[in-house]
Amino acid sequence: QVQLRESGPGLVKPSETLSLTCAISGESISTHYWSWVRQPPGRGLEWIGYFYFNGRTMYNPSLASRVTLSVDTSKNHFSLSLKSVTAADTAVYFCARRCDNGWCFVNWGQGSLVTVSS
Amino acid sequence: QSLLTQPPSVSGAPGQKVTISCTGSSSNFGTGYDAHWYQQLPGQAPKLLIYANTNRPSGVPDRFSASKSGTSASLVITGLQADDEADYYCQSFDNSLTGSVFGGGTKLTVL
Repeated sequence: QVQLRESGPGLVKPSETLSLTCAISGESISTHYWSWVRQPPGRGLEWIGYFYFNGRTMYNPSLASRVTLSVDTSKNHFSLSLKSVTAADTAVYFCARRCDNGWCFVNWGQGSLVTVSS
Repeated sequence: QSLLTQPPSVSGAPGQKVTISCTGSSSNFGTGYDAHWYQQLPGQAPKLLIYANTNRPSGVPDRFSASKSGTSASLVITGLQADDEADYYCQSFDNSLTGSVFGGGTKLTVL
């Protein structure tokens, strides 16, 4: 079965870059679309972007100027980079796998809390 | 303001039925994009509950059902149980984002 696990620093300073990695087991990254979704404390879910192994990316327009998704096929993981962070970027960040036949999210990581604070 | 609108909260007694609505627009449901639903228990990741408007993944009880009509979708939970208490989110694809959008979430309280 597919398992996703996020990892990265739990604390980032304002104006710096947030970097997270999602390690995939039980499935090759070279299939499906992969995604990041975030959830500020006490609030709802926000889609960040999709990534396909061939390099195709789709970003939420509200974050597109600051976000980069990338992949390391040799390690079967993909990464999120969000630059120039502010306190508003404090959230639990989830990685997820897109459904085979639709734009839903069938598998989720457990989430990684990132706090932006000096 | 999300492109998909849900009521902030609903409640019901054990055994009862509740309905959670999700109102979209011509840029998502109205274009033909599917509605999907997630259950998020406290402190956990979301779990896919319903996909492609009406379909339950393996393991989801048939107490959970959903539908979509025009620019709206609904999730129905029958025979409410205490462990149904969670946040529920609708989700779709939206042309104005060229990406996915979530509703604001509905907190279900089992009285």
